[in-house]
Amino acid sequence: NAGVTQTPKFRILKIGQSMTLQCAQDMNHNYMYWYRQDPGMGLKLIYYSVGAGITDKGEVPNGYNVSRSTTEDFPLRLELAAPSQTSVYFCASSLAGTFPPTDTQYFGPGTRLTVL
Amino acid sequence: AQTVTQSQPEMSVQEAETVTLSCTYDTSESDYYLFWYKQPPSRQMILVIRQEAYKQQNATENRFSVNFQKAAKSFSLKISDSQLGDAAMYFCAYKNTGTASKLTFGTGTRLQVTL
Repeated sequence: NAGVTQTPKFRILKIGQSMTLQCAQDMNHNYMYWYRQDPGMGLKLIYYSVGAGITDKGEVPNGYNVSRSTTEDFPLRLELAAPSQTSVYFCASSLAGTFPPTDTQYFGPGTRLTVL
Repeated sequence: AQTVTQSQPEMSVQEAETVTLSCTYDTSESDYYLFWYKQPPSRQMILVIRQEAYKQQNATENRFSVNFQKAAKSFSLKISDSQLGDAAMYFCAYKNTGTASKLTFGTGTRLQVTL
């Protein structure tokens, strides 16, 4: 079990460039999340998905897009990168709908993104 | 909206000693989850312990235990017999029950472990 994997680990972008951060999980979790962590802060939710084909916005969705075509994958797309998007990005997953409920989110190792 | 407050930006503990990290939260919900996550220099977010609000018994995981005071909205983490590997950022997090409600994180406490 690899858990939650993210690629790449590091990336430097120029202002205006676009890129996709990849996230995959092999735990058959139905819920997946994208968070960003700015220096000295906790994580903030960007987008989440409750299943294939279903996504919704979190606290800080502007400048990002997501898709969920399979249960395993949840890529995050940055369009027109800006310096304000310099951050560490974490993908997470959880299994919802169990009894008793677990609701524990398991995190990937993160992607450090710098926009110059 | 829920908020999580960690009032100790940094803490230090000697190896083998005990340290307590503080966390308070604000919510109008009666049922929810609380978590402590550890983030070492590798940046990986590692679940340390979780507590269901409906449970009166405090959660424990080996050397880690919590003091959950629901009325006071307090959720502190106690680390016993501290080890060098415990050095990390520790984040307290809150989550409503049901659906895909988000984790709300505090700003973290950096724990140093000295010899």
